[in-house]
Amino acid sequence: NAGVIQTPRHKVTGKGQEATLWCEPISGHSAVFWYRQTIVQGLEFLTYFRNQAPIDDSGMPKERFSAQMPNQSHSTLKIQSTQPQDSAVYLCASSLGGGAYEQYFGPGTRLTVL
Amino acid sequence: AQSVTQPDARVTVSEGASLQLRCKYSYFGTPYLFWYVQYPRQGLQLLLKYYPGDPVVQGVNGFEAEFSKSNSSFHLRKASVHWSDWAVYFCAVTRTGGYKVVFGSGTRLLVSP
Repeated sequence: NAGVIQTPRHKVTGKGQEATLWCEPISGHSAVFWYRQTIVQGLEFLTYFRNQAPIDDSGMPKERFSAQMPNQSHSTLKIQSTQPQDSAVYLCASSLGGGAYEQYFGPGTRLTVL
Repeated sequence: AQSVTQPDARVTVSEGASLQLRCKYSYFGTPYLFWYVQYPRQGLQLLLKYYPGDPVVQGVNGFEAEFSKSNSSFHLRKASVHWSDWAVYFCAVTRTGGYKVVFGSGTRLLVSP
């Protein structure tokens, strides 16, 4: 069991460029979560998929951010026209089900927008 | 709305000394509570979890936590801290049947020799 895999580990983009972050959940896990972590805001919930279906994207900024889960083996978080304030560590987690189950976190992708 | 407060942003403990990290939650109904640890440049890992039942929960690496409904608290304890415990600790809460987990702001534990 390789755990949750996130790629790339580090990404540097210029202001206005697009960034796509990848997450491979643990096989057999039906729930996938995306979080953003910054020193100022801490851990912020972004979005949640259950059995590949988007359930809750209430934490996603309404513009420029989108997330998809085209199959059970990966999810993507796309940020269009990146801005310096998007700089953060983006964490993906998977679990067997909803919130009562332990979430297994990936190592995160550190996004730096210059 | 559910919330979690970790009042101490940073705690310094001598190696071998005991530890308590504080967590207060605000919640309606029956909560599920968690403590996660984040080591440098890694994701979060579960230390322990509380489901309704015994208020004292044992976790990995000698950690335990005690749920108190009257105090709305879920403090983390360890009898003897090791240098490898140097990390950031997050308390989290969710509700029965829910999916969204609310995390506290984290407490950075520093271990002095």
